Amino acid sequence: DIQMTQSPSSLSASVGDRVTITCRASQSISKYLNWYHQKPGKAPKLLIYAASNLQSGVPSRFSGSGSGTDFTLTIFNLQPEDFATYYCQQNYHTRPWTFGQGTKVEIK
Amino acid sequence: EVQLLDSGGGLVQPGGSLRLSCAASGFIFNNYAMTWVRQAPGKGLEWVSTISGSGDTTYYADSVKGRFTISRDNSKNTLDLQMNSLRADDTALYYCTKEGVVLVGPIYYYVLDVWGQGTTVTVSS
Repeated sequence: DIQMTQSPSSLSASVGDRVTITCRASQSISKYLNWYHQKPGKAPKLLIYAASNLQSGVPSRFSGSGSGTDFTLTIFNLQPEDFATYYCQQNYHTRPWTFGQGTKVEIK
Repeated sequence: EVQLLDSGGGLVQPGGSLRLSCAASGFIFNNYAMTWVRQAPGKGLEWVSTISGSGDTTYYADSVKGRFTISRDNSKNTLDLQMNSLRADDTALYYCTKEGVVLVGPIYYYVLDVWGQGTTVTVSS
């Protein structure tokens, strides 16, 4: 199975900051990488697919990049509603599709 | 409005069984694969099982293979997860999800683009 490792596990940031979360795959997954975020008590929501494509309705301050084994999610101008836990997920070829362990973005 | 409504969770003893259901609306159900994802208390997300749109093909995580069965009724727009031989480590919030397909250039990518609200399964004596 492909393992996904996110870093950091948590971070503290202020409104207006730029935040970067990384996700590393245990083998090359091309661009088969999605990002989700989850607010407390809510279901996860798709943010970015195919490594760098913004899901419809997601603000443009979210940006994804990378291919192969290394990926990055960047949030520009962090807003109060962005404090949540972020997960990467690979969907390379066959199942199981695996998630990273999550990165919790907290208010500084 | 595209919507998934999860139900069927509850408290069950180790070794017991439970059947989760998901009612879908707002999209052509049989056009899409459906997936169950779970989240243990305070933990991350874990893919559990996927079924193709026709119901002909199923996939399972090793942790549930042989114990869980995914199924769907395309005439009723419902998705089920039959869970047998439940263990304490099956305790989790279970989400029903719709598997979307997006085309980027010449390549199709899969996404979990719609999620239910989740239903809680607690396995404890």
